[in-house]
Amino acid sequence: EIVLTQSPGTLSLSPGERATLSCRASQSVSSSYLAWYQQKPGQAPRLLIYGASSRATGIPDRFSGSGSGTDFTLTISRLEPEDFAVYYCQQYGSSPPALTFGGGTKVEIK
Amino acid sequence: QVQLQESGPGLVKPSGTLSLTCAVSGGSISSSNWWSWVRQPPGKGLEWIGEIYHSGSTNYNPSLKSRVTISVDKSKNQFSLKLSSVTAADTAVYYCARTQLVLGYYYYMDVWGKGTTVTVSS
Repeated sequence: EIVLTQSPGTLSLSPGERATLSCRASQSVSSSYLAWYQQKPGQAPRLLIYGASSRATGIPDRFSGSGSGTDFTLTISRLEPEDFAVYYCQQYGSSPPALTFGGGTKVEIK
Repeated sequence: QVQLQESGPGLVKPSGTLSLTCAVSGGSISSSNWWSWVRQPPGKGLEWIGEIYHSGSTNYNPSLKSRVTISVDKSKNQFSLKLSSVTAADTAVYYCARTQLVLGYYYYMDVWGKGTTVTVSS
């Protein structure tokens, strides 16, 4: 079973700052199946990035994803007030089919 | 656009069976998508439960597989979750989601229901 470890657990930043979130897999995963989600309190998750680096429809270009193998990164270039939330990475393994989420990174206002 | 709505009892007794339904509107459940269930215990992260294709093919989280059944009802444009032998550890917000999967290309959940809270308690 592939484990996704997200770091840091909490990121305290100010609006306008750059946020760098890490997602590390316990073994190499396909970047095709790596996605990122944003979740605000009381809301369902929202897809941000799929295929490790493709932005979902309607997602601002301040959000970007990168990485391959075991190390993936979500970057928010300049934090807006609405970006303070919890972010999850997700990977899908096709043999056998199974989905895993990381534990999440909370981006909070400093 | 496609919308999803979860429904079902908010309270289930221990050792009982949790049953939820996800109604799909604005699109067909027979489209080229998988349909998933994800849950989130209070204050914790996301856990994948499983997924179904309109053909009836399913994939389940190995840790829940012995207790989970996901089914589809094309006539009602909905899919369902049953989780048996529940305990307090199954208390969570349960989400249904549309899943885009093209093997070798991508996998992601792009449409989510608002979620429904299920509490396991006597």
